[in-house]
Amino acid sequence: EAGVAQSPRYKIIEKRQSVAFWCNPISGHATLYWYQQILGQGPKLLIQFQNNGVVDDSQLPKDRFSAERLKGVDSTLKIQPAKLEDSAVYLCASSLGIAGGEQQYFGPGTRLTVT
Amino acid sequence: AQSVTQLDSQVPVFEEAPVELRCNYSSSVSVYLFWYVQYPNQGLQLLLKYLSGSTLVKGINGFEAEFNKSQTSFHLRKPSVHISDTAEYFCAVTWYGGSQGNLIFGKGTKLSVKP
Repeated sequence: EAGVAQSPRYKIIEKRQSVAFWCNPISGHATLYWYQQILGQGPKLLIQFQNNGVVDDSQLPKDRFSAERLKGVDSTLKIQPAKLEDSAVYLCASSLGIAGGEQQYFGPGTRLTVT
Repeated sequence: AQSVTQLDSQVPVFEEAPVELRCNYSSSVSVYLFWYVQYPNQGLQLLLKYLSGSTLVKGINGFEAEFNKSQTSFHLRKPSVHISDTAEYFCAVTWYGGSQGNLIFGKGTKLSVKP
């Protein structure tokens, strides 16, 4: 079974530029998550989708971050414009359902450096 | 606000020695608990989880954890570590009736196994 795919793996941009990350979840997984992991901290949820609907985006900085999951499969996360503090690893995860005990499967992440 | 505390940011240990990584959570409601491992430049991999039932949970790679409701703890243990266990370990929690499976992570503990 293929795992969660993410691209690119690494990205370096200057502040005020825009960037987009792509995620393809495990086939059949209805729930998709984007997490931000800043160096030295645990992952923090940015947004959660159930199929193509948003379940939780309470911690997404909506003035600069946006995400979509068209057709309920793959997803893109965009930052525009980027700030220095956006430097982090962006992790995508998926799970079969939405129940609290569902195992989340993580992709390898995209390491973003904003200079 | 709900939170997870990993009491040690770094744990150095010699090969074949036992290890315990500590995790405490704050919650007044029932919880689901997880331990994830992250190897360098990789995503998170589930080690084990507690949903209900026996408070002693066994996971992959010889790890186990014990849920202690009165202490609100979920410490991870391994009786004899290997060099290959060197990684960062994250404790995570989600709550019954919480935000649809939203995981709250601790800051992580870096386990360094020395020969």
